[in-house]
Amino acid sequence: SAVISQKPSRDICQRGTSLTIQCQVDSQVTMMFWYRQQPGQSLTLIATANQGSEATYESGFVIDKFPISRPNLTFSTLTVSNMSPEDSSIYLCSVDRPGPNSYEQFFGPGTRLTVL
Amino acid sequence: EDQVTQSPEALRLQEGESSSLNCSYTVSGLRGLFWYRQDPGKGPEFLFTLYSAGEEKEKERLKATLTKKESFLHITAPKPEDSATYLCAVQAHNNNDMRFGAGTRLTVKP
Repeated sequence: SAVISQKPSRDICQRGTSLTIQCQVDSQVTMMFWYRQQPGQSLTLIATANQGSEATYESGFVIDKFPISRPNLTFSTLTVSNMSPEDSSIYLCSVDRPGPNSYEQFFGPGTRLTVL
Repeated sequence: EDQVTQSPEALRLQEGESSSLNCSYTVSGLRGLFWYRQDPGKGPEFLFTLYSAGEEKEKERLKATLTKKESFLHITAPKPEDSATYLCAVQAHNNNDMRFGAGTRLTVKP
């Protein structure tokens, strides 16, 4: 399995501000994923981040609102920009660990964001 | 479009009362079907990956099975510590992202 840490674990922010969430992995991985889990909902993929290239965003998510950095193979950041109460969610990063006969994806502990 | 439907939404069991959770899916070329456990306030914890119809995997009181249209997560003699939300997700061959179901919230009463 992969050991994934996220910072901060939670935050309460004011409307109109931005928050940057960090994701650190204990080993090098090719792909990192950012998900959002709104209250009472399941996980929705925001974007896929590969090192050395622009992140790929899913329908409904744009770079101006959710800029992502991937400076190396163990680290990524997601920024939630110009926040509104609708952005209150848990934000999760995940990584894949493909093997010769298996494919698994592991998640970080999440960042619980509340926007007032 | 890939779709994942989990049932029931919520399930309450007595300790020791075995049951099954269902995950129905449609996907254009299944690469893998995943089961996760999620406790409140935490990230999903990986349980199983299933790759082809007929495959089964077990871990303690949990057993996951797969057909071409659905997967079951069987829970045998559950304990209160098995209480959690169980998530199912699918991944297609032509895509790296995963499509998640809404989850089944399991409560096991002592």
